[in-house]
Amino acid sequence: EVQLVESGGGLVQPGGSLRLSCAASGFAFSSYWMHWVRQAPGKGLVWVSRINSDGSNTNYADSVKGRFTISRDNAKNTLYLQMNSLRVEDTAVYYCAPQKDYSTNPWGQGTLVTVSS
Amino acid sequence: QSALTQPPSVSGSPGQSVTISCTGTSSDVGSYNRVSWYQQPPGTAPTLMIYEVSNRPSGVPDRFSGSKSGNTASLTISGLQAEDEADYYCSSYTSSSTFVFGTGTKVTVL
Repeated sequence: EVQLVESGGGLVQPGGSLRLSCAASGFAFSSYWMHWVRQAPGKGLVWVSRINSDGSNTNYADSVKGRFTISRDNAKNTLYLQMNSLRVEDTAVYYCAPQKDYSTNPWGQGTLVTVSS
Repeated sequence: QSALTQPPSVSGSPGQSVTISCTGTSSDVGSYNRVSWYQQPPGTAPTLMIYEVSNRPSGVPDRFSGSKSGNTASLTISGLQAEDEADYYCSSYTSSSTFVFGTGTKVTVL
């Protein structure tokens, strides 16, 4: 069974940093592109970033480019999102998911990041 | 990277059909058959319902179908059931090698 478990969320002040992790199991993690998607409370889904199977290629949404860095450790079956210079508008539940056929499936349960003073 | 445009809400009685539109541009929906649809009941993570415009993952009822014409994709739910009540989001690959989601549509079963 595919499992994705996000962690690392919490409360951080504006301008601060946080690193999210996504532990994957039940599938060949090292063979898949992986994505981060976020959802602000009561709002819609917003695509954040993706990384290819060996970590050599990354893409970012304009809203996070230069502030967030996606990475992965295939030996640990873990995806990361380093978030720097956090803003109040980055407050959201962050989900990870593998890419297949240009869609993302399945999704983890998410980890909540709250940026507030 | 503007969000794809979806109607805020659609509704129908049990057994009826509803269609949700998803309008993008020639840089995303119009250029690629890489449109997906996701269902998100309240308080849960999204689940994939349609991929590559019209394909259903295993386990998704055939009441769900997808199509595309030009810059607009559509999701149709036929034979609406109470358990279909949820938020639905479209997504598309873009010419910038990124992805973009739709604004979301709340489906209400009357």
